[in-house]
Amino acid sequence: SYVLTQPPSVSVAPGQTAKISCEGKNIGSTSVHWYQQRPGQAPMLVVYDDSGRPSGIPERFSGSNSGNTATLTISRVEGGDEADYYCQVWGGGLGHPGVYVFGTGTKVTVL
Amino acid sequence: EVQLVDSGGGVVQPGGSLRLSCTASGFRFDEYAMHWVRQVPGKGLEWVSLISADGTNIYYADSVKGRFTISRDNSKNSLYLQMDSLRREDSALYYCSRKARGVDNWFDTWGQGTLVTVSS
Repeated sequence: SYVLTQPPSVSVAPGQTAKISCEGKNIGSTSVHWYQQRPGQAPMLVVYDDSGRPSGIPERFSGSNSGNTATLTISRVEGGDEADYYCQVWGGGLGHPGVYVFGTGTKVTVL
Repeated sequence: EVQLVDSGGGVVQPGGSLRLSCTASGFRFDEYAMHWVRQVPGKGLEWVSLISADGTNIYYADSVKGRFTISRDNSKNSLYLQMDSLRREDSALYYCSRKARGVDNWFDTWGQGTLVTVSS
């Protein structure tokens, strides 16, 4: 099965930049999507297709994807960004058709 | 407003069955594929199953294959998950989610989740 590995936690001061990695074999050959999950809430899409932003998501959220690592970058971090973040891919682009995979998740703490 | 409302969760004994429902509103339900995703409280997200817009194509995670059945009734704007032979490790918050349109493979809308507890 395909595995996406994220760091368990990232800590960042307000106004600074948080970078969350998502590692998977040849992940750069497929599209990566990112979700934010605040405590007690359902996940919410914040980046699609590596770097696209859904309507209503601030420009502070951006993404990149190459080789074996995708990255979600949150610039000028605010207290409201404190949440769990998950990457996600469709396995069909990686030789695992019909399967959807989430990363292990990263808890972002705003100091 | 696009909305998904999950229901049907509860406490069930190991080996038992439960049927989850998800009612959609605010969009053309019959134009979208739908997923079930679960999350053990305090843990990560796990994809469970996908059903195409017309119900003809269905996929399952290996962890539930042969025990869970996804279905939909487009006339009722409803998605279902029939869960049989439940195990303690199936205890989780279950979310229904809408697949983005066409060939896009992200989850663009989520329900609030319904909690399933498998315990004797």
